[in-house]
This record gives sequence, structure tokens and C-alpha cells, in this order.
Amino acid sequence: GAVVSQHPSRVICKSGTSVKIECRSLDFQATTMFWYRQFPKQSLMLMATSNEGSKATYEQGVEKDKFLINHASLTLSTLTVTSAHPEDSSFYICSAPDRGTRNTIYFGEGSWLTVV
Amino acid sequence: QKEVEQDPGPLSVPEGAIVSLNCTYSNSAFQYFMWYRQYSRKGPELLMYTYSSGNKEDGRFTAQVDKSSKYISLFIRDSQPSDSATYLCAMRANTGFQKLVFGTGTRLLVSP
Repeated sequence: GAVVSQHPSRVICKSGTSVKIECRSLDFQATTMFWYRQFPKQSLMLMATSNEGSKATYEQGVEKDKFLINHASLTLSTLTVTSAHPEDSSFYICSAPDRGTRNTIYFGEGSWLTVV
Repeated sequence: QKEVEQDPGPLSVPEGAIVSLNCTYSNSAFQYFMWYRQYSRKGPELLMYTYSSGNKEDGRFTAQVDKSSKYISLFIRDSQPSDSATYLCAMRANTGFQKLVFGTGTRLLVSP
């Protein structure tokens, strides 16, 4: 199947700093990517839909200024957690639909963020 | 009522057992159905992708969709300890760039 890569897989940052997570579609182009957050033993919570060349669409309750999303190319979307706090510590996962397979959605490996 | 209902488990079975995982849904517009497997601290991995009603088989895995009952199933034959993971059902109405609607996931434990 198609491959979606996330980087970094784990990151620890200090409270008040910003951290960037990258999501890349390695063997297909993705005009849309999705960003999720997952707490332990819970299902995926959609945060936002990233659109190449335009603004991201955020789900209700997700702070746009807190979670900055940039989809600068057809293979790369980034999520920046700004002024991170310990409550932002979580597992962040991206996904992208592959047009070549009826927009089957493939997920990245996820990024563990720990804010200390 | 949630759009997609899935028993969180855990479901514990011995190695070699046949496992049945299920989801029910309320939106009759859903036509595309997926099952993902997620190991602890990893991203979900696509297992099965089916369209409309019917069965689809891939190795030890069989996906069934019954749209009349709004019920989907994933069967795992000859279960292995390596199958221990959380299984998420997901669905959407069409092939556009709509977001998937997920079940909460069922945690499966296969003991040796």
C-alpha cells in the first residue's frame, strides 16, 4: 500500500516552546491530509483537514492559533504546536488519501509529543 | 447516539481461535468501509477496504458488510499472538476527500 511518513516519531520539548511535526506522502501526491490526536486507550480524534495551497479546516474546539497547519506541497503537511504545554502531550497522527486507490486513507506512524 | 458503535473490549481469545470483530452504524449514506489495525504506540495500518455490501477475503482476514442491517464485521482465522492489537472500523459516504468516521476500536488479546 501507499506510504505516509511522519517525523519525528518522538519529541520532548519544554513548556512554552513550539514543535513541528512533518507528514509526507512518499509515493503519491496528496492535496488533502488529515491530522489526528489520540489519547491513551482512546480512538482517533480528528483535529483538522490540511489542504494544499489553502487554509486548513479545523474541527470544532481545536484552536487554530495553537495548532498551526501548513500544506506547502503535494507531498508535505506540517503541524506546529505553538507555546506547548504539558496538556498538549499526546500522540499525533496524520493520514492522507491515495487517489490511485479510490482515496484509500493511509496513516503515518504517529508522533509522540511530551511537553515537560 | 454515536454514528459508529464498536465494543471497546478487551476481547481475549486463545491462539488459533476465530475472532469476530463488529461495528454498527447509523448513517445509511456510508458506502466505503475499512478496518485498521493499530499496535500500541503506532499509527493505524489498513487491513481491509470494502465497498457496499458483500464479503472480501485476504489471507486470514475476511470483511463482511451488511448495509441492510448497518453492520460490518472482520473475521480473523487462526488467530496469532501477533494479532493482538486494537482494531478500528472506519467508514465514509463516498470516494471524495471526506473525513473518515471511526469506531472507538476493539482491543484484541490473543494468548499463546
